[in-house]
Amino acid sequence: HVQLQQSGPGLVKPSQTLSLTCDISGDSVSSKTAGWNWIRQSPSRGLEWLGRTYYRSRWNYDYALSVKSRITIKSDTSKNRFSLQLNSLTPEDTAVYYCARDDDYVLMDVWGQGTTVTVSS
Amino acid sequence: DIVMTQTPLSLSVTPGQPASISCKSSQSLLHSDGTTYLYWYVQKPGQAPQLLMYEVSSRFSGVPDRFSGSGSGTDFTLKISRVEAEDVGVYYCLQGILLPLTFGGGTKVEIK
Repeated sequence: HVQLQQSGPGLVKPSQTLSLTCDISGDSVSSKTAGWNWIRQSPSRGLEWLGRTYYRSRWNYDYALSVKSRITIKSDTSKNRFSLQLNSLTPEDTAVYYCARDDDYVLMDVWGQGTTVTVSS
Repeated sequence: DIVMTQTPLSLSVTPGQPASISCKSSQSLLHSDGTTYLYWYVQKPGQAPQLLMYEVSSRFSGVPDRFSGSGSGTDFTLKISRVEAEDVGVYYCLQGILLPLTFGGGTKVEIK
């Protein structure tokens, strides 16, 4: 039974960096059949895929062009987790952020609980 | 980017009646491997989205058989044969053939 548990701040100031973590239980971040995604949801942008990482003999990273210059997704095999860093935040980054797993080609079959992030001074 | 367009925006259904949601993609979702990478999710109030269907018509584990998916190429449909109160939520389609992965705008299903 795979579970994803998110953690991170709910309020971040403009121009600062958002850091969120997704702890994995019941699977391995270095699984050769899994992928690990970050998605956000806001009233103005709907559900927006931000990026993912996955391990296939080496680590791979895919990012949405809309955030590519500002985003970093990392994996931590020692703690079996992955993380999101999004820098140079603006109020437009205010959203609920989710992590989600891909199980081979079954995309986003398990989701974290979501983290409401507000960008405000 | 592939644009996913869902209709209708909202649906009010009497319990026990059927419901149908359309999703159209701006490009074909048929891959050269023969698989069509179209997924359906439902987001119930206050919850994260949850997977319903993958590869057009395969029901995810635990999804009731009153849910079915069909379609090909660029036109897809999610059907609920007999809507129940627990089916209330916003339904989203997702394309998985091309990065960035993109979602439809959502269809809100309510009970009359």
